[in-house]
Amino acid sequence: QKEVEQNSGPLSVPEGAIASLNCTYSDRGSQSFFWYRQYSGKSPELIMSIYSNGDKEDGRFTAQLNKASQYVSLLIRDSQPSDSATYLCAASSGGSYIPTFGRGTSLIVHP
Amino acid sequence: NAGVMQNPRHLVRRRGQEARLRCSPVKGHSHVYWYRQLPEEGLKFMVYLQKENIIDESGMPKERFSAEFPKEGPSILRIQQVVRGDSAAYFCASSSPNEQFFGPGTRLTVL
Repeated sequence: QKEVEQNSGPLSVPEGAIASLNCTYSDRGSQSFFWYRQYSGKSPELIMSIYSNGDKEDGRFTAQLNKASQYVSLLIRDSQPSDSATYLCAASSGGSYIPTFGRGTSLIVHP
Repeated sequence: NAGVMQNPRHLVRRRGQEARLRCSPVKGHSHVYWYRQLPEEGLKFMVYLQKENIIDESGMPKERFSAEFPKEGPSILRIQQVVRGDSAAYFCASSSPNEQFFGPGTRLTVL
């Protein structure tokens, strides 16, 4: 059974701080990893994808992947109240285009 | 560029009626996925289709649910004889083939 685990939160950070969201996965064959943001009542929006070990930066977002530890994280720098949402982590293995989604971490950025 | 389109956005059905949900993928995408999400719960994979083929329907209930992605036209998720437990948000995603992009969803309410 492939699993992706996330702390449900809520994770509460002050405006301007770094928010750190974490995710672990059980399938060692996973090769593709994704972070989605989902606002309440809306659909998931892809914000980052990462395929190799290390860091990948895009604006205020940095995704980090450690395949040896089966760990993926998302850092949000200079957090804004508009970043308040649920963040979904997903992983898919080679040969499968069906990602396994975690249940998401709720992030609250307070002014 | 048009993203994934879903209609209707909201659908109300009485118990025993049929619900038909439509999804038009991003232009050029040949992979379509359907997910269901209950309030405060994660995304549950239902079915993965390519044009005219069901690739994986392991997440779809064996009875009352069916999906298709014809050569021409949108993908359709069909729920026959709906019950109250079918009330949920149904999301469609498309990919080419790795990163999935989600449509706005159809909120199904069964009275």
